Amino acid sequence: DGGITQSPKYLFRKEGQNVTLSCEQNLNHDAMYWYRQDPGQGLRLIYYSQIVNDFQKGDIAEGYSVSREKKESFPLTVTSAQKNPTAFYLCASSYRRNTEAFFGQGTRLTVV
Amino acid sequence: GESVGLHLPTLSVQEGDNSIINCAYSNSASDYFIWYKQESGKGPQFIIDIRSNMDKRQGQRVTVLLNKTVKHLSLQIAATQPGDSAVYFCAVLNNAGNMLTFGGGTRLMVKP
Repeated sequence: DGGITQSPKYLFRKEGQNVTLSCEQNLNHDAMYWYRQDPGQGLRLIYYSQIVNDFQKGDIAEGYSVSREKKESFPLTVTSAQKNPTAFYLCASSYRRNTEAFFGQGTRLTVV
Repeated sequence: GESVGLHLPTLSVQEGDNSIINCAYSNSASDYFIWYKQESGKGPQFIIDIRSNMDKRQGQRVTVLLNKTVKHLSLQIAATQPGDSAVYFCAVLNNAGNMLTFGGGTRLMVKP
C-alpha cells in the first residue's frame, strides 16, 4: 500500500534530550513537510523540503532540525533547545507544488 | 504573509441536516485552497480542493464554494452523518506554491 508512515505513534522524552521522529513515504512525492499541532489549535509549519538535500525553515523552526538525504525520508529532530516540545507532530508529502498534501497519522511527543 | 481564519470554533448540527463551515483568508493572490478533516488522534485527511479559477466544486456530499471578492471559502456537507464529526481545517497555498497555511479549525459535532 502506498502511503506516508510516521513512527513511533507515541514518544516520551526526558527534558534535555534530543529525539528524532521518523517520516517515510512511498508515494514518490518530491515535497515533504513537518507540522506541529497543539491541543485545540491548527497546524504550524516547522520545516519543508521540495527536493532531496534541500530544505527550508517554516514558521516555527527554532529548536528543530531535519535532513533529506533520501526522497522517501524526512526525519525531524526535536532538540533540547526547543522550549516546549510536547505536541502532536504531523508529517506530510505532496507530489509537487500546487497539489494537495497527504498526511501521516502523527507522533505524539511528551516531555517528562 | 498569509493568514487564514475560521469563523466558528464549534458547530453542532442534527444528523441529516446540512453543515456549513466557513473560512476567511487574507491574501487575494492565493490560488489553491484545500479542506481537510481530522479525527481525534489522527492526521488530517484531504476532503476537497478548489483553485481560484473556480467558484464551486462538488464532491460526494461535499461542496466547496470560493468567493474571491471577499476572500471567503466554505465547506458544505449535505445530510451530515455521525461519521462526519471531526475538526475541519481549511488550508491555503502560498504564492510560491510551497507552503500550506492552515486555519485554526472548526469542530463539527453531529447530534443523533
